[in-house]
Amino acid sequence: DAKTTQPPSMDCAEGRAANLPCNHSTISGNEYVYWYRQIHSQGPQYIIHGLKNNETNEMASLIITEDRKSSTLILPHATLRDTAVYYCIVRPQSGAGSYQLTFGKGTKLSVIP
Amino acid sequence: GAGVSQSPSNKVTEKGKDVELRCDPISGHTALYWYRQRLGQGLEFLIYFQGNSAPDKSGLPSDRFSAERTGESVSTLTIQRTQQEDSAVYLCASSPDRRNEQYFGPGTRLTVT
Repeated sequence: DAKTTQPPSMDCAEGRAANLPCNHSTISGNEYVYWYRQIHSQGPQYIIHGLKNNETNEMASLIITEDRKSSTLILPHATLRDTAVYYCIVRPQSGAGSYQLTFGKGTKLSVIP
Repeated sequence: GAGVSQSPSNKVTEKGKDVELRCDPISGHTALYWYRQRLGQGLEFLIYFQGNSAPDKSGLPSDRFSAERTGESVSTLTIQRTQQEDSAVYLCASSPDRRNEQYFGPGTRLTVT
C-alpha cells in the first residue's frame, strides 16, 4: 500500500521538537490522516488524526497542508520515551479500509540524549 | 481508565497443539479487532467484531483460526493445530465504533516450536 510516504528514519535531540513529515498526494476527500506509533515490543498507540484542519492534543500536533497532500506530526518536546516507529496512514470513513488498519514502513524516530 | 488487556503475554506451544488467546477491550467499546504482526512486519488484519457478531472475517488465514466475542466484551482467538508459521504477535484493538480510532493491547507473543 503506497498511499503514504515517510522518511525511513530521523533523529531528534531530547527536549527539542520532532517534526515528522508524511506525503499522501493521492488522498481522497473523505479520507482522514491518522498517526500511530509503535514502541519496541509494544502494541501500536494512537496519537492523533485530522481531516483538513490542524489538530492538537496532549500528545502532539498535526499540521495538514491546505491541499491535503502532506502533513507533519509535531512532538513539541521529545523525550527518550518517544523513540518509536511512527506510522502515517490515510483512512476512509467507510468501507473495509475504514477499520482494517494497514501500516507502511513508517519513520523510526530516535530521540538522542 | 483501563486500556485493552490481553492474555497471556507470551505463549510457547508445540506444533499441532491448540491455543486460545484472550482480549479484554476497553469497557463500552462496541468494535473489536484482531491483528497479527510477524517479526519486523506490518499489521495483518484478521477479524472485526461489531458487538458480538463478526461482519468481517476476511483476514483469518485458514479454517484453523476462529474467534468469538461474548457479552460485547471479552474476545478469544483460537488457533487449532498450530504451525510454525503461526508464530507472531497477536494484537487486539477496540474502538467505540468502527469509525473511531483503535486502541491496541500489548499483544500476545506466540511461539510455535
